[in-house]
Amino acid sequence: QSALTQPASVSGSPGQSITISCTGTSDDVGSYNLVSWYQQHPGKAPKLLIYEVTKRPSGVSNRFSGSKSGNTASLTISGLQAEDEADYYCCSYEGSSIFVFGTGTNVTVL
Amino acid sequence: QVTLRESGPALVKPTQTLTLTCSFSGFSLTTSGMYVTWVRQPPGKALEWLALIDWDDDKYYSTSLKTRLTISKDTSENQVVLTMTNMDPVDTATYYCARRYRGDLDAFDIWGQGTMVTVSS
Repeated sequence: QSALTQPASVSGSPGQSITISCTGTSDDVGSYNLVSWYQQHPGKAPKLLIYEVTKRPSGVSNRFSGSKSGNTASLTISGLQAEDEADYYCCSYEGSSIFVFGTGTNVTVL
Repeated sequence: QVTLRESGPALVKPTQTLTLTCSFSGFSLTTSGMYVTWVRQPPGKALEWLALIDWDDDKYYSTSLKTRLTISKDTSENQVVLTMTNMDPVDTATYYCARRYRGDLDAFDIWGQGTMVTVSS
């Protein structure tokens, strides 16, 4: 049960698109379509952005999108805005109702 | 409206047992497909999944911490309790509980605000 690997930081200018990767193994990301993404602002609880790899909960901006290829899932933020500056975490199911989070990515809007 | 709220001691001593309570409303942990999970986050560090309990009272634990964790529920009180034994300063973290409902969207969709626990003598 090792943490999924994410880049420590990603940055972009307002209006640009950025992509955050989340690399696991064939035991987690590669085996299940139960990857979710969470946004966390400083001092706040995580907020669900994407579930089941590509789906957005009601109320989440369509600027956020998810995908997966093999053992790597990705979160893309389009039309980057100042309010998107936060930490982002992926999470994957590992089977037997076990879950694992990613190492986290800090997004900076330049 | 679904809400969760964590409560417990802000400070525990090394070797002590930590007991945290997640009080929730707006859903029932007797509903098929319903779960409550615990996640923690040391200061400045990443989220770490700890444990999960389901509507059928099945329990699941982090592989690395399972010998120290116990999760339980009181459906009449709408509460989930997490105990962690033999606390160490490295267990200093904000502890969150969250809901998972497979009958809606399969992820941790609603989170509590978290409770900070410091382990120090």
